[in-house]
Amino acid sequence: GAGVSQTPSNKVTEKGKYVELRCDPISGHTALYWYRQSLGQGPEFLIYFQGTGAADDSGLPNDRFFAVRPEGSVSTLKIQRTERGDSAVYLCASSPNSGSSYNEQFFGPGTRLTVL
Amino acid sequence: AQSVTQLGSHVSVSEGALVLLRCNYSSSVPPYLFWYVQYPNQGLQLLLKYTSAATLVKGINGFEAEFKKSETSFHLTKPSAHMSDAAEYFCAVRRAGGSYIPTFGRGTSLIVHP
Repeated sequence: GAGVSQTPSNKVTEKGKYVELRCDPISGHTALYWYRQSLGQGPEFLIYFQGTGAADDSGLPNDRFFAVRPEGSVSTLKIQRTERGDSAVYLCASSPNSGSSYNEQFFGPGTRLTVL
Repeated sequence: AQSVTQLGSHVSVSEGALVLLRCNYSSSVPPYLFWYVQYPNQGLQLLLKYTSAATLVKGINGFEAEFKKSETSFHLTKPSAHMSDAAEYFCAVRRAGGSYIPTFGRGTSLIVHP
């Protein structure tokens, strides 16, 4: 069965460039989450969507980071003016829904971003 | 604020030995607690979760964890390690604010020797 997929699996860019990371959630999952995992650390929450809207973006580190989910399915994480400190694995997860009851999140394999 | 502390960045055991991975939590609300496993080049997978029901929680692959409120702990155990258990393990606590988004610890790398 199709799980969460993320593309590209690896991305190397230069400092100052713009990058887009894509997440395809499990079909029918209304909630979608982005995390960042730096080397030697646990995943750090960035943003989550319920449907098309960002329900909680409190984890975005600054205004260089932005994410969209225009049709309530695929999501794109966008990073402007990349910095070396942005180098990390970016994880995406989806769940059937979020809200008042617990739903397990299913994680993708991640995109490894390297900023030179 | 919600947080977890995982004691030991690396734990090494022999195949067949007991596995014990330690996690202590801090939470201003009744906690929901999770253990995830991450195999190399794969996404995180939920091992088990505590959601205020039974304090002894059984998960996949023979793992279990016990919620101890008095000790603010949620340690992960497995009676007999297998080579395939070698992976990174993350303890997590539910964020405050009503959602079920986990706040992760730094992880413990489990090494299994033959």
